[in-house]
Amino acid sequence: DIQLTQSPSSLSASVGDRVTITCRASQSISTFLNWYQQKPGKGPKFLIYAASSLESGVPSRFSGSGSGTDFTLTISSLQPEDFATYYCQQGFSFPYAFGQGTKLEIK
Amino acid sequence: EVQLVESGGGLVQPGGSLRLSCVASGFTFSSYSVTWVRQAPGKGLEWVSYISSRGDTINYAESVKGRFTSSRDNARNSLYLQMSSLRDEDTAVYYCVRDGATWIRGVPLRYFQHWGQGTLVTVSS
Repeated sequence: DIQLTQSPSSLSASVGDRVTITCRASQSISTFLNWYQQKPGKGPKFLIYAASSLESGVPSRFSGSGSGTDFTLTISSLQPEDFATYYCQQGFSFPYAFGQGTKLEIK
Repeated sequence: EVQLVESGGGLVQPGGSLRLSCVASGFTFSSYSVTWVRQAPGKGLEWVSYISSRGDTINYAESVKGRFTSSRDNARNSLYLQMSSLRDEDTAVYYCVRDGATWIRGVPLRYFQHWGQGTLVTVSS
């Protein structure tokens, strides 16, 4: 089974900062990697598919990159509504798996 | 507007059974695969089960295989998760998710595009 490891597990940042979250797969998954955002008490929101393609309606300050085993989610200029937990997820093979999450907090 | 509404959660004793339902609206249900994802209190997301648009392909996480059964009724726009032999570690919010898909060199990449609000299952004596 493919495992995903996110780093860091938590991150403190300020409004306006540029932030990068990393997701590493235990084996190559090409670009079969998706990202989600979850706010407390809410269901997750889908952000990015195929490592770098932005879902319709997602602000352009979000971007994704990577291929193979190493991927990144970048938020170019943090807004107050971006403080949340972020998850990567592999869609390469069953069982689909999520990373453990990265909690982005206000500094 | 795509909507997914789960129901059927509640308190159940270890070893017991529960059936979750999810009713979909706002899209052609029979054209999409659907997925169950769960989240234990204070924990991360865990993929549970996938069912194809016609219900002819079903996959399960190892942690629930042999105990959970996923099914769908396209005529009723509904998805179900029959859970048996429940354990403490099955305590979680269960989300019904409509998949999206794109193709990468002829291979489908599925993603979890639309999520329900979740239903809480608590396994406790």
